Amino acid sequence: EDQVTQSPEALRLQEGESSSLNCSYTVSGLRGLFWYRQDPGKGPEFLFTLYSAGEEKEKERLKATLTKKESFLHITAPKPEDSATYLCAARGSNYQLIWGAGTKLIIKP
Amino acid sequence: DAGITQSPRHKVTETGTPVTLRCHQTENHRYMYWYRQDPGHGLRLIHYSYGVKDTDKGEVSDGYSVSRSKTEDFLLTLESATSSQTSVYFCAISESTRGLEETQYFGPGTRLLVL
Repeated sequence: EDQVTQSPEALRLQEGESSSLNCSYTVSGLRGLFWYRQDPGKGPEFLFTLYSAGEEKEKERLKATLTKKESFLHITAPKPEDSATYLCAARGSNYQLIWGAGTKLIIKP
Repeated sequence: DAGITQSPRHKVTETGTPVTLRCHQTENHRYMYWYRQDPGHGLRLIHYSYGVKDTDKGEVSDGYSVSRSKTEDFLLTLESATSSQTSVYFCAISESTRGLEETQYFGPGTRLLVL
């Protein structure tokens, strides 16, 4: 059964304290691993798509990486405005997205 | 929100009543989707559309129907609302260049409470 698991469920960091969020997936025939950011009361906002193991993408303080079993979202020197829930989703051979439950990130000033 | 609006943004209704949620896009994208989001769960696909009058079921379609009579509008109907359908509903759209492999962009959501 296709499955996506995100860890931890919640993460509290001090401003400037770098860390990583994990997204483990078991999906047959991966056709993309997606990261989104979701602020309270809003819809998910697209961040990255990764397609193959070894691929990396960066945007400001965020870097996403992909292996054959998991993806990491690295956050370098985070600021309070990086506080949000981060969602990952994997697309398998049936083209549908399987979503993780998200990691709630809180950055304290 | 990528030219996507949802209405209403908030709704309270009673068990057994029909409810229709509307998604409107200004991007002229071919694909449109309805998801629900519940605490502790990932987003779950209800229905999607790949063109006017062309729709298909997602993983949690029971109790829901959809219609798409124009490219820009995708309606989700709860035929007889139940408390288990209390949720936040999101509409998403994607381009057609790579079919269902395209990135999905989301609307602001509708918060529905069924009493």
